[in-house]
Amino acid sequence: SQQGEEDPQALSIQEGENATMNCSYKTSINNLQWYRQNSGRGLVHLILIRSNEREKHSGRLRVTLDTSKKSSSLLITASRAADTASYFCATDAGGRETSGSRLTFGEGTQLTVNP
Amino acid sequence: DSGVTQTPKHLITATGQRVTLRCSPRSGDLSVYWYQQSLDQGLQFLIHYYNGEERAKGNILERFSAQQFPDLHSELNLSSLELGDSALYFCASSRQRVNNYGYTFGSGTRLTVV
Repeated sequence: SQQGEEDPQALSIQEGENATMNCSYKTSINNLQWYRQNSGRGLVHLILIRSNEREKHSGRLRVTLDTSKKSSSLLITASRAADTASYFCATDAGGRETSGSRLTFGEGTQLTVNP
Repeated sequence: DSGVTQTPKHLITATGQRVTLRCSPRSGDLSVYWYQQSLDQGLQFLIHYYNGEERAKGNILERFSAQQFPDLHSELNLSSLELGDSALYFCASSRQRVNNYGYTFGSGTRLTVV
């Protein structure tokens, strides 16, 4: 089952505007990650935020994490047409010393940036 | 090119058949993960191997099996294929067993079962 729920499911904006996507999850996590996927292609890792971090920046990306509300947001500033893609949040609940790692993905937000 | 290589890129096969999907992780990565992406189920974790050993298992069907070889490449075997197995299958890799730096995904194998 999907751990994350993303909001909105689809977002259409003009170039130069900011885009904000939200993600909620259900269980405690080790870290939360955001990925981008261009249509039918592989996922590209954007940013990872650990459970003890509240905010992280990478270029035009800003991610926040509120573990008390079990939610995260991804802000893309000054968007470009090339940012058009699906964006997924994914949570890693971590594991015991002998177990492995797995990501639980949300359903994604389809972002369209119009030139 | 992410450094994770998946072959084949596309595969069309009939119901009841068996296929093998192959993944070569990024150089130096010891962990390999398999994910299935379908329209109705979204992205689902299947299995994680670290340095040749199975480390975590998701909702992987009994008809599916995987392994990681000594050279660290991995294969996902899908047997008795059904129409519902049609999906994108992604492999991802990371350096460690417990991941704190993000995964590198391959470009996927698109499986169509007819």
